[in-house]
Amino acid sequence: GQNIDQPTEMTATEGAIVQINCTYQTSGFNGLFWYQQHAGEAPTFLSYNVLDGLEEKGRFSSFLSRSKGYSYLLLKELQMKDSASYLCAPMDSNYQLIWGAGTKLIIKP
Amino acid sequence: ETGVTQTPRHLVMGMTNKKSLKCEQHLGHNAMYWYKQSAKKPLELMFVYNFKEQTENNSVPSRFSPECPNSSHLFLHLHTLQPEDSALYLCASSQEGGQGGQPQHFGDGTRLSIL
Repeated sequence: GQNIDQPTEMTATEGAIVQINCTYQTSGFNGLFWYQQHAGEAPTFLSYNVLDGLEEKGRFSSFLSRSKGYSYLLLKELQMKDSASYLCAPMDSNYQLIWGAGTKLIIKP
Repeated sequence: ETGVTQTPRHLVMGMTNKKSLKCEQHLGHNAMYWYKQSAKKPLELMFVYNFKEQTENNSVPSRFSPECPNSSHLFLHLHTLQPEDSALYLCASSQEGGQGGQPQHFGDGTRLSIL
């Protein structure tokens, strides 16, 4: 079956760095997406990885290891507005996104 | 502003009512999606339309009926819903279905409550 595993909740301090891990098992693989979702709002696209390695985009970076079925989202210089849920979603062989339940990130001052 | 607009934002209905959710995208995309999001659960894909043709129906009960009159508009018709159908219903669009690398853009959703 297809499965996504990411922590339910994480807490970090403003200004710090946090890494949100995601492990996945899918039928085929066509890349992996990360989304951010603030409470009561739409999920918004953060990053896409299809090849192994690190993709950097400002304060956010995303890493992929296809052989390990593993990805992480790295958030630097945390700000209070980064408090949100972060959704890991690999794409399977049918180009369907397989969604994790999300990691709720709480930022403390 | 994500370019995907959903109405209404909130809907309360009885189990015998009939209502419709509306989604409109202004991004020039050709694929549109309906998702159900329940608390602390992963997003559940319900329906996919690609160039107005339904390409996916993930075993959704017939009390949910989608309609896609054109590539910019998507509806979800609801009738005789059950209390467990209370959830956030999200619409999304992407450039084209069945291709990798294209992110989906989401609307803010309709919060549905069934009495």
